[in-house]
Amino acid sequence: EVQLVESGGGLVQPGGSLRLSCAASGFTFSSHWMHWVRQAPGKGLVWVSRINSDGRSTSYADSVKGRFTISRDNAKNTLYLQLNSLRAEDTAAYYCARSYDAYMDFWGKGTTVTVSS
Amino acid sequence: QSVLTQPPSASGTPGQRVTISCSGSISNIGSDYVYWYQQLPGTAPKLLIYKNDQWPSGVPDRFSGSRSGTSASLAISGLRSEDEADYYCASWDDSLGAWVFGGGTKLTVL
Repeated sequence: EVQLVESGGGLVQPGGSLRLSCAASGFTFSSHWMHWVRQAPGKGLVWVSRINSDGRSTSYADSVKGRFTISRDNAKNTLYLQLNSLRAEDTAAYYCARSYDAYMDFWGKGTTVTVSS
Repeated sequence: QSVLTQPPSASGTPGQRVTISCSGSISNIGSDYVYWYQQLPGTAPKLLIYKNDQWPSGVPDRFSGSRSGTSASLAISGLRSEDEADYYCASWDDSLGAWVFGGGTKLTVL
């Protein structure tokens, strides 16, 4: 059974940092690209970032470019998202999603990030 | 403001057929596939339709997708109370170099 379990969310002050993790199981993690998608409270889905299967190629939404860094550890079957210089507008549930043939086919349950003083 | 445009709400009675539209541009829907996701209240999104009109395993064929030009639509036939959810369209945007989503449509089963 495919499982994606996010962790690392919490309350952080503006300008602060967090690292989100996504533990994968039930499939060959190293064969799949992965994505992060976020959803602000009461709002829609917004794509954040993606990483290829070996971690050498990444892309980001303009809103997070230069502040967020996606990475992965295939030996640990874990995806990461480093969030720096956080702003109030980064407050959201963050979902990791598996990529299959380029699209997001399976999503985790999400972890919540709240940026507030 | 989302790159893809969906109506904020839709509704129907049990057994009815409901359609949700998704409007984009030549750089997204007009040149790449459309995907639909269902998000039940308080849960993670779930893939409903991929590559315009394909069903993932386990998704009933009451749900169907189509694409024409720079627009797409999701149709739900035989509406059930458990279909009450938010529905999102998505596509890759070649100009932005990013995945883009619609703003979501909240479906209410009356």
